[in-house]
Amino acid sequence: QSALTQPASMSGSPGQSITISCTGTSSDVGNSKYVSWYQHCPGKAPKLLIYDVSDRPSGVSNRFSGSKSGNTASLTISGLQAEDEADYYCSSYKTTFTWVFGGGTKLTVL
Amino acid sequence: EVQLVQSGAEVKKPGESLKISCQGSGYTFTGYWIGWVRQMPGKGLEWMGIIYPGDSDTTYSPSFEGQVTISADKSTNTAYLQWSSLKASDTAIYYCARRGGVFYMDVWGKGTTVTVSS
Repeated sequence: QSALTQPASMSGSPGQSITISCTGTSSDVGNSKYVSWYQHCPGKAPKLLIYDVSDRPSGVSNRFSGSKSGNTASLTISGLQAEDEADYYCSSYKTTFTWVFGGGTKLTVL
Repeated sequence: EVQLVQSGAEVKKPGESLKISCQGSGYTFTGYWIGWVRQMPGKGLEWMGIIYPGDSDTTYSPSFEGQVTISADKSTNTAYLQWSSLKASDTAIYYCARRGGVFYMDVWGKGTTVTVSS
């Protein structure tokens, strides 16, 4: 299954805002209200940041927000902090009971 | 506390079999789907498949169908991922995760590193 398309890397300075895009097709992102985002620090378990396009689990900072337009979903991190340096993955419904992940974006906080 | 505890790292030879585990605690294990996700060295996450421990209903990603077997034992709150004949290309970190809602994984295990080398 084809992965969703994310930029391989992004960087930003502390305090800045960055937006990570996740582009799919009308068969997945474009036709789904079930896009989620995960933060993954090497050696740790991935962490759910956003689900159902824009909902945030309890305990996740409100600096993280999600949105979607057409076939592209986005994760915005505002007020970048050093601790935000990690890999970020989007995921979407593909077909009944199957998921697809994005290729991942490595975020560097300068 | 809701958690998924995965079995330890494995080093195997090509052709050997392997079964890794993921034990859930702190919630009703039979009431939530458990998925498996692969991360090959230097690569991203890949969704492998998912099982409902309540009745062992299982769905596989087309990329992994026939390559692995996902199972669950509700008496021990444990899900499994197994291979009958490992290949070097199976070298990866394997994560289990709980499906918390319609289409997201809300609780993840810390991963099991599988190394296949002659």
